[in-house]
Amino acid sequence: QKEVEQNSGPLSVPEGAIASLNCTYSDRGSQSFFWYRQYSGKSPELIMFIYSNGDKEDGRFTAQLNKASQYVSLLIRDSQPSDSATYLCAVSTSGTYKYIFGTGTRLKVLA
Amino acid sequence: DTGVSQNPRHKITKRGQNVTFRCDPISEHNRLYWYRQTLGQGPEFLTYFQNEAQLEKSRLLSDRFSAERPKGSFSTLEIQRTEQGDSAMYLCASSVNGELDEKLFFGSGTQLSVL
Repeated sequence: QKEVEQNSGPLSVPEGAIASLNCTYSDRGSQSFFWYRQYSGKSPELIMFIYSNGDKEDGRFTAQLNKASQYVSLLIRDSQPSDSATYLCAVSTSGTYKYIFGTGTRLKVLA
Repeated sequence: DTGVSQNPRHKITKRGQNVTFRCDPISEHNRLYWYRQTLGQGPEFLTYFQNEAQLEKSRLLSDRFSAERPKGSFSTLEIQRTEQGDSAMYLCASSVNGELDEKLFFGSGTQLSVL
């Protein structure tokens, strides 16, 4: 089992819709969870982080964490074509500051 | 704050040659990370430093790879006797001591092509 798993996609949504991206992780001791966006040919940039169970909202983005189910998700409301990118889930490993990334989900927002 | 700087941006080398990459982190950041990324995959952890101490190295990393961070400032990643399978984007990231919300800031990466 991979430490951090994501569906590679592509996930296609129409402009204005809600995009839902999911991530599961295997280390129950993980404490911090991050979503990075990576445009083609560019390096990852942080868009959200969460460490408490529940929801965290920032503009059009909402991160959701369920530690019991070892599941973290990212919702993008009112999706725009500029949101088209690969979204990487990253998890901090327990006891260290090492961050493990999933393979990423490619999102396509159709105009 | 000029961001994380990596040099060179691109490196083409022949199999068997040694290559060295450099990373300059954001000045006040004391943690520095190296990741490797291939097409369609997420960044793969290689190693990280806190100040000048290398705290962890991936067990997937062969002994052809070595990283240093003298004086806790810039870092170098050397690959000896390169193989075609080493072709990838090598990403450097830095962060400042934080608690649960420590964030990684990535450089633009060095694209390595081994012929």
